Amino acid sequence: DVKVTQSSRYLVKRTGEKVFLECVQDMDHENMFWYRQDPGLGLRLIYFSYDVKMKEKGDIPEGYSVSREKKERFSLILESASTNQTSMYLCASSLRAARSSYNSPLHFGNGTRLTVT
Amino acid sequence: SQQGEEDPQALSIQEGENATMNCSYKTSINNLQWYRQNSGRGLVHLILIRSNEREKHSGRLRVTLDTSKKSSSLLITASRAADTASYFCATGEALQGAQKLVFGQGTRLTINP
Repeated sequence: DVKVTQSSRYLVKRTGEKVFLECVQDMDHENMFWYRQDPGLGLRLIYFSYDVKMKEKGDIPEGYSVSREKKERFSLILESASTNQTSMYLCASSLRAARSSYNSPLHFGNGTRLTVT
Repeated sequence: SQQGEEDPQALSIQEGENATMNCSYKTSINNLQWYRQNSGRGLVHLILIRSNEREKHSGRLRVTLDTSKKSSSLLITASRAADTASYFCATGEALQGAQKLVFGQGTRLTINP
């Protein structure tokens, strides 16, 4: 079974701190994603990566950056945490699909609940 | 951008009954997926249906897709307490070499014993 591991389940940080959220997958997946989940808003894509050192903005990239130096690891960085970044952060990975008309299923980690005070 | 919208937002039924959740979307898709999320956990993939398919089954799950109406439904038959969770539809877009999924807001399903 694919395992996607997020380094922390719960995290409390202060406004202005630089925050690193780490995600590691063990199945050699090409694609990795960071979503945030908020009540009433569902899951929103922050950034994704389809290869090492490649990154693409999702729907809400402002205030975030990412790093993918190794295939198995995808880090989300909050440059200067703010209270509106309090949320559940979900990392996911997937295989690169053989055809562009097909989406490989996502495998999710258990999430990091971040509170910024 | 929000693509899929689930209906209803919340559903509460008795154990043993069938549960039906609906998903509507706005633009053309190449496939649609359903996921389950137990409280405080990550999402788990349930089933994928391609745009050229109309119905798909997996165990007690049945998914239909109507591309003319831009809608899908997820039916869970003979529900169990363990089916209590939130269910999300996600639509697939292919871009930039990665396949991006856009999720709806989910249906919260409660199965009462």
